[in-house]
Amino acid sequence: QVQLQQSGPGLVRPSQTLSLACAISGDSVSSNSAAWNWIRQSPSRGLEWLGRTYYYASKWYNDYAPSVKSRISINPDTSKNQFSLQLNSVTPEDTAVYYCARLANYMDVWGKGTTVTVSS
Amino acid sequence: EIVLTQSPGTLSLSPGERATLSCRASQIISSSHLAWFQQKPGQAPRLLIYGAYSRATGIPDRFSGSASGTDFTLIIRRLEPEDFAMYYCQHYGSTPLTFGGGTKVEIK
Repeated sequence: QVQLQQSGPGLVRPSQTLSLACAISGDSVSSNSAAWNWIRQSPSRGLEWLGRTYYYASKWYNDYAPSVKSRISINPDTSKNQFSLQLNSVTPEDTAVYYCARLANYMDVWGKGTTVTVSS
Repeated sequence: EIVLTQSPGTLSLSPGERATLSCRASQIISSSHLAWFQQKPGQAPRLLIYGAYSRATGIPDRFSGSASGTDFTLIIRRLEPEDFAMYYCQHYGSTPLTFGGGTKVEIK
């Protein structure tokens, strides 16, 4: 059974970097048949896909949402079988519940979510 | 970017009634890449339907999905008390992946 365990701080100061990790059990971040995603949810923006990382033909790839493309980085960590989210230069608008999720043929496994508040 | 518009915003029904939720895409998309999720307060979304028609593992058969052009429908045949929740559609066939704004199914 695939599970995703999220970790990271719940409070980030404005202009700083939001960093979260998602540890995978029951699957591999290097799987050729899955993409590893970050999604956030807030009352003002609803569910918003942020980006993904995936491994294919011996190479790593990333896709990012246009709304955050200049500030985001999603990276795999094969030694820990996890992937991470970094969002730079955060503002209060980035306050949300952040989820990691696996997309194999569909988005079937989600982390429990991390509430991140951007505030001084 | 594919915009998904869900309607109605809120559906007020009684247990045992039938719920019909709609999701309209801003352009033609493959039905192979349309999913429905259920979300309850404080929980992550749970996959109900993928490929517009297929139930995810463990989902009861009172949930069904259909597609016609840019219109997608989730039907809950007879509402059980645990079905009152938020429902979202999602397109996952190309980036950026997008979600609809949601339909709240509430107890009348």
